[in-house]
Amino acid sequence: GIQVEQSPPDLILQEGANSTLRCNFSDSVNNLQWFHQNPWGQLINLFYIPSGTKQNGRLSATTVATERYSLLYISSSQTTDSGVYFCAVEHLNSGYALNFGKGTSLLVTP
Amino acid sequence: EPEVTQTPSHQVTQMGQEVILRCVPISNHLYFYWYRQILGQKVEFLVSFYNNEISEKSEIFDDQFSVERPDGSNFTLKIRSTKLEDSAMYFCASSEMFRGQYFGPGTRLTVT
Repeated sequence: GIQVEQSPPDLILQEGANSTLRCNFSDSVNNLQWFHQNPWGQLINLFYIPSGTKQNGRLSATTVATERYSLLYISSSQTTDSGVYFCAVEHLNSGYALNFGKGTSLLVTP
Repeated sequence: EPEVTQTPSHQVTQMGQEVILRCVPISNHLYFYWYRQILGQKVEFLVSFYNNEISEKSEIFDDQFSVERPDGSNFTLKIRSTKLEDSAMYFCASSEMFRGQYFGPGTRLTVT
């Protein structure tokens, strides 16, 4: 199956700092999504981004499908950004299952 | 904004018992999914469902699992005889084609 690698595995930031999270995947994909899992365990849909760049407030994401990676940018981080960020991909020609990475655990301190 | 809902939020059951987890997908979505997340691990795909039949399933989704869309709104996951290792958060998701999957808040299943 397709491999999804996220880096870094853990990240600690001070409030106000910026960060970049990376997702590498091993094969062509139909779909790529970024999720934020909050401390209550809910998976919040951040971006549906199989290619290109999108922005939503302080968050933006870029996927370069030809080079098999995606980046999630968090600017001016806040304590409420803490949680685990997951990248998930849908393998081309392999149905609709999302394959998740192991996530990046982010802690934003005051 | 429309949301996927799941009930119950937490279910405790004894080993060997049957459980049914319920989901109400977003109303105009046609594709439905179940995923699970064992504590501290990544989210794993179980099954996808389209046009009243299973379209894809993982190795985890063995004969102990089944899914059903009993009416126009609900989507259920049944585990026939629960094991300790079935303890996990179970997420339901739904999607339109080419629009990304939206996840419910999850049901935390604890098997004792």
